[in-house]
Amino acid sequence: GAVVSQHPSRVICKSGTSVKIECRSLDFQATTMFWYRQFPKQSLMLMATSNEGSKATYEQGVEKDKFLINHASLTLSTLTVTSAHPEDSSFYICSARLPDRGSVEQFFGPGTRLTVL
Amino acid sequence: GQNIDQPTEMTATEGAIVQINCTYQTSGFNGLFWYQQHAGEAPTFLSYNVLDGLEEKGRFSSFLSRSKGYSYLLLKELQMKDSASYLCAVTDSNYQLIWGAGTKLIIKP
Repeated sequence: GAVVSQHPSRVICKSGTSVKIECRSLDFQATTMFWYRQFPKQSLMLMATSNEGSKATYEQGVEKDKFLINHASLTLSTLTVTSAHPEDSSFYICSARLPDRGSVEQFFGPGTRLTVL
Repeated sequence: GQNIDQPTEMTATEGAIVQINCTYQTSGFNGLFWYQQHAGEAPTFLSYNVLDGLEEKGRFSSFLSRSKGYSYLLLKELQMKDSASYLCAVTDSNYQLIWGAGTKLIIKP
């Protein structure tokens, strides 16, 4: 149980275009999902916390107008990178937590490799 | 500020034992995780410690000392497939995961 999927796994786009990444919890309902970014040879950096039915909470330094997060249902959160530029090229990973009150473990999706030309 | 320290890189020999240390300073503590991450893949869960002591799971064990802000991951009978990055992460008082930079473990035959 506790499987998280991401789509697409890899995307290449031109500078200036927008890219949408989907994160789904397949066998559980996730009231909270997390979006991370990881640059080569660096650790995961939390971008935002996505809460179902409310606005996402963004980490300091992350532009909310550039990285649009929508958590419209208990099993789906989307991250849209708007007007992507080469510096946005990175590995984007989502994770989800079980809705149990005491649950702390995050289950990770397989990640999306974004390359902006 | 919140800080998690772990060595950048370690090298060990196939069949041997290696210990990866992690020290942390966070605002509150609600548990410590170890994750394994192979290059180009997402992290996978290895262990979770919330109380002091040693948790053993097969070839992997994880230890926690909350008073010292210290944990280690012990890998026994190393296999080539254990070559990966090992990430230490602490859940703070807001249940947010604070990540270490990861330790790249290189296994040599």
